Formats: sequence, structure tokens, C-alpha cells
Amino acid sequence: GIQVEQSPPDLILQEGANSTLRCNFSDSVNNLQWFHQNPWGQLINLFYIPSGTKQNGRLSATTVATERYSLLYISSSQTTDSGVYFCARHILTGGGNKLTFGTGTQLKVEL
Amino acid sequence: ETGVTQSPTHLIKTRGQQVTLRCSSQSGHNTVSWYQQALGQGPQFIFQYYREEENGRGNFPPRFSGLQFPNYSSELNVNALELDDSALYLCASSFSFGNEQFFGPGTRLTVL
Repeated sequence: GIQVEQSPPDLILQEGANSTLRCNFSDSVNNLQWFHQNPWGQLINLFYIPSGTKQNGRLSATTVATERYSLLYISSSQTTDSGVYFCARHILTGGGNKLTFGTGTQLKVEL
Repeated sequence: ETGVTQSPTHLIKTRGQQVTLRCSSQSGHNTVSWYQQALGQGPQFIFQYYREEENGRGNFPPRFSGLQFPNYSSELNVNALELDDSALYLCASSFSFGNEQFFGPGTRLTVL
């Protein structure tokens, strides 16, 4: 099946540090989303980025569809950035579409 | 603009029982998708509803069923609950399929 792999699986940062999270795909990308799941389970939309680069405050994302990967950059990390980061690609299925999620990156930002 | 809402927040059931989870889509959205997230894993696609019809289904048995209503809200029903059904159930809405999906806060189901 179509695989979505994320790295690293775990990451511990000091507050203020920068980081790069990676998402690799086994097949071509139609549409891609990045999410932050907070400790209460809420999935928060970060980016909807099938290709190119987008920025939102301290976060930015780049998807290179031809190379089958996407990167999420977090700059000047804060403790509130802690949680699990998921990438998910849209896959057409029987007339609709579903999100196939990666394995996630567990991020902990410490003081 | 109202976001995606789900009810209840938490639920405890025993094996063999039936459960109904509810989701209200974000204003202006006509597509609802349901996902199951087991502890420590990413969400898994259950099914999607578009204009009141099932529009794609993941690898879940028939005891997982759903409905979408004319106002685009949706229900997920699970019959004959099993211990492995314990999970966080997430609902997502979008304006038509293929577009960005927005998630609700989830329903945490525990099956004893």
C-alpha cells in the first residue's frame, strides 16, 4: 500500500531551537496536509500544501512532489509547540478521498 | 464561523454493546470523514460521506456504519463493540472531497 513515513519519530528541543521534520511518500502526492495534535487529541491544521512553500509565523512547510517528500520547519520553538506532528496525504478512493497519515513525530520542547 | 464539533467527548461501553457518535460539520462544508486513532498511532480512515451518501470506505468491518443528514452533520455507529474498538474517533469536514479537511476534537471511546 501507499506508505507515508515521518522522521524523526521523536525529538527533544530546548526552547528557542529550530527543527526540521520530514515526511516521505512511496507514491506521487496530490494534496498534503500537516497537523499538530495537542495533548488533548485535537488535530490542528498547520498547512495544506500539495507543492511549493508556505509560511505561517514561526512555521513553514515545503513540499517537493516530484521528489516525494515534504518538510516542516519550526523556528524559535516554544513549549506550546510540544505534541505530535502528522503529515497526511490525500488519496482518491472510490469516488471520494481519504487522508493517509504518517507515523508522526513526537516533539517535546523543554525550558 | 463554527468549527467541527463532536459529541460526546468521552464514552465508556462494554463489549457487545452498540454506540453512536455524532459530528457537526464546519459551516459551509458538505463532506464528512471519520477516522479511528488507536493509542500511539496515526488516524485511520473509516469512511467518508458526501451529500448524504457513503463516498469511500477504509478497511473496517460492516459493523462500522454511518449516516449523513441533510444539514451535513453525521453519525458513526459501531455495533457489537470489541475491546480493540477503544480509540479516539475523529470527524473531519471539508468543502467537497479532495479539499482541506478540518477535524473536530474527537470522541474518546473506551470498551471494557
